[in-house]
Amino acid sequence: EAGVAQSPRYKIIEKRQSVAFWCNPISGHATLYWYQQILGQGPKLLIQFQNNGVVDDSQLPKDRFSAERLKGVDSTLKIQPAKLEDSAVYLCASSLASPGRRGNSNTGELFFGEGSRLTVL
Amino acid sequence: EDKVVQSPLSLVVHEGDTVTLNCSYEVTNFRSLLWYKQEKKAPTFLFMLTSSGIEKKSGRLSSILDKKELFSILNITATQTGDSAVYLCVSRDNYGQNFVFGPGTRLSVLP
Repeated sequence: EAGVAQSPRYKIIEKRQSVAFWCNPISGHATLYWYQQILGQGPKLLIQFQNNGVVDDSQLPKDRFSAERLKGVDSTLKIQPAKLEDSAVYLCASSLASPGRRGNSNTGELFFGEGSRLTVL
Repeated sequence: EDKVVQSPLSLVVHEGDTVTLNCSYEVTNFRSLLWYKQEKKAPTFLFMLTSSGIEKKSGRLSSILDKKELFSILNITATQTGDSAVYLCVSRDNYGQNFVFGPGTRLSVLP
């Protein structure tokens, strides 16, 4: 089974430039997450999709960050313009869980991609 | 606000030592607690704990959940340098969609 695919693996940009990250989840996974992980910290949720709809984007800095999952499969996360503090690893994850499947202990796992490491200079 | 707390945040041991990593949580609609190991890449899944008091084991790693006291521990016996990583504790809600991460415990195992 193919895992979660992300690209690019590394990106270096100057502040005020823009960048886009791509993620393709595991086939059949309805839920897709973008996390930001700053060095030395745990992942912080940026946005969560259920199929092509947004479930939670409360921590997404919407003045500069945007994300979409138009066909309910792959997703793009964009930062424009980038700031120095955006330097981090951007992790994409997917899971099988979907609304209405309460207490389903078979689909609890998050599957992560390799991450995209962003350095803003 | 939901939160997951881990301790210690950092730990240095020597090969052969046994370590215990702690995780406590305050989460609404709690369903399960997951442990992940993160080396230089993406986190890899270790355990998912849903029932209280039932230990899960995988080789030298084991973990248990206490839903009354709202905590979990991850034990690693006979540590090896390959165990050096950040260990993340994650809560999962009853709908299986909301995951709350702890800050991680950075374990360094010296030869």
